[in-house]
Amino acid sequence: DIQMTQSPSSLSASVGDRVTITCRASQSLSSYLNWYQEKPGKAPKLLIYAASSLQSGVPSRFSGSGSGTHFTLTISSLQPEDFATYYCQQSYSSSWTFGQGTKVEIK
Amino acid sequence: EVQLVESGGGLVQPGGSLRLSCVASGFTFSSYAMHWVRQAPGKGLAYVSGISSNGGSTYYVDSVKGRFTISRDNSKNTLYLQMGSLRAEDMAVYYCARAHYGSGSIHYFDYWGQGKMVTVSS
Repeated sequence: DIQMTQSPSSLSASVGDRVTITCRASQSLSSYLNWYQEKPGKAPKLLIYAASSLQSGVPSRFSGSGSGTHFTLTISSLQPEDFATYYCQQSYSSSWTFGQGTKVEIK
Repeated sequence: EVQLVESGGGLVQPGGSLRLSCVASGFTFSSYAMHWVRQAPGKGLAYVSGISSNGGSTYYVDSVKGRFTISRDNSKNTLYLQMGSLRAEDMAVYYCARAHYGSGSIHYFDYWGQGKMVTVSS
């Protein structure tokens, strides 16, 4: 099975900061990598699909990049509503593996 | 508006069974593959199982194979997860999710339900 590793596991940042989260895969995924945002008590929300495509309705401060085994999610200017946990997910294989999550907290 | 509403969670003893349902609305249910994802308390998201649009193909993560069965009734716009031989490690919030299948492997879960808690405890 494909293993997904996110870093860091958590980070503290201030409103307005630029935040970058990394996701590494145990094998090449080409560009078949998605990012989700999760807030307590709410359903996960798709942010980015196919590594860099912004889901409709998602603010443009979110962006994704990468291919192969190394991917990043960037929030260009952190907003109060962005404090949440972020997950990467591979769609290369039918195991649909998620990363372990990155919790973004208020500094 | 796309809506996915789970039901059927609750408390079950170890070794017991439970069936989750997910009723879909706002889209042509029979045209989409559907999946179950879970989140144990304090843990991350974990993929559980998926089923093709016509129910002909299914997939399970190794840890639930032989114990869980995914199915769907397209006439009722409903997805099911029959869970058996439940263990403490199955305790989690279970989400149903709709899959968008694009070209190649550009697939993603574009809509999720609110989740249903399954508690496994004696």
